[in-house]
Amino acid sequence: AQSVTQLDSHVSVSEGTPVLLRCNYSSSYSPSLFWYVQHPNKGLQLLLKYTSAATLVKGINGFEAEFKKSETSFHLTKPSAHMSDAAEYFCVVGMDSSYKLIFGSGTRLLVRP
Amino acid sequence: GAVVSQHPSWVICKSGTSVKIECRSLDFQATTMFWYRQFPKQSLMLMATSNEGSKATYEQGVEKDKFLINHASLTLSTLTVTSAHPEDSSFYICSARGPSYNSPLHFGNGTRLTVT
Repeated sequence: AQSVTQLDSHVSVSEGTPVLLRCNYSSSYSPSLFWYVQHPNKGLQLLLKYTSAATLVKGINGFEAEFKKSETSFHLTKPSAHMSDAAEYFCVVGMDSSYKLIFGSGTRLLVRP
Repeated sequence: GAVVSQHPSWVICKSGTSVKIECRSLDFQATTMFWYRQFPKQSLMLMATSNEGSKATYEQGVEKDKFLINHASLTLSTLTVTSAHPEDSSFYICSARGPSYNSPLHFGNGTRLTVT
């Protein structure tokens, strides 16, 4: 069975400092992994996805994530936080080829001025 | 880029009534659409997979008679919450994928349902 665990429910950073949102996954085979962002009362926007190509995946808005098989992790990072980055972030694992997605519990990112 | 439109964005209804939520793919044909439910401050839970021209596949624990899904065309899937109750109040989000194997998923902006 596939699952995904987001280790922090809330992360608070100051504007201009690095962001780290942690995600661990469990999968019986090579997974498809995604990070989505959700602003209040909005749908989801895809930040980036890993599909067994390069282990370091670059996404939109300066975000990137590194797939580490040995650690079963797919942490999301950004060198410098911006106020507009404040939102809910979901780490997601894709199930087989059906495009069914399993969502993590989410991490709320707060950015302090 | 590809857009998925959900309508309405929010709806308030009385207990016992039914509510229909539409999910449209605006510039691509979506053979498969997914319906999710999100409780406040919680993650998204997959409710069902909607395939054009066939019956929807429901996840375990989701009442198919309560949450009716129709995917009658390649650009439209509807979710009808029948005989709504306050516990059905939630944020419902749809997503759609295109016809090819590598087609990406696109999400709608969600529908906030409040049942009074």
